Amino acid sequence: VHLVESGGGLVQPGGSLLVSCSTSGFTFRSYWMHWVRQAPGKGLVWVSRISSDGSDTTYADSVKGRFTVSRDNDQNTLFLQMNSLRAEDTAIYYCAREDPYADAFDLWGQGTVVTVSS
Amino acid sequence: QSLLTQPPSASGTPGQRVTISCSGSSSNIGSKAVKWYQHLPGTAPKLLIYRNSERPSGVPDRFSASKSGTSASLAISGLQSEDEADYYCAAWDGSLNAWLFGGGTKLTVL
Repeated sequence: VHLVESGGGLVQPGGSLLVSCSTSGFTFRSYWMHWVRQAPGKGLVWVSRISSDGSDTTYADSVKGRFTVSRDNDQNTLFLQMNSLRAEDTAIYYCAREDPYADAFDLWGQGTVVTVSS
Repeated sequence: QSLLTQPPSASGTPGQRVTISCSGSSSNIGSKAVKWYQHLPGTAPKLLIYRNSERPSGVPDRFSASKSGTSASLAISGLQSEDEADYYCAAWDGSLNAWLFGGGTKLTVL
């Protein structure tokens, strides 16, 4: 059972970046999925979630209107499109699976680093 | 500034018992289940506790947690060096319609 993030990198302020989370070992289409980030020297902060069928999405106020979460259930992949990036978006971005029984994030990836800087 | 308040640091010696607190409000901890995560920087966070006090399989029973009103706490007994990590409480906030994490507590094993 794996979650593997990719797509991080260095981007200029105002720029865009698409990060992905490739999954394996479980029935991806059955689970709500989330993005959580950690800025340098700071704690974990929830960013966004998407329902199992992709019809329901929710965002933290700090990214609302700039970030879009989506998924491809045929490719078992979760995405986060990040636009109008700011320096404060610099962070490690983790994808996480929500266990419906535990109502908790029971599986996490290793994260991908996004740096917003000129 | 997180809406779930944790002490920034905690410490103990091997074998000791330490507790980490998490304070919230009626819209999160007061009405929703609390989760606890362990995180070593550079690695994937790990679920320690769900539904306020339940442990996933594989989590040692040295880890326990409880909730009362708008506060929760995580206890680690028989402290071991490998317990040195950052610990986060988390809960859904029904008013904000968002998941909240506490600011994190860095546990040092002396």
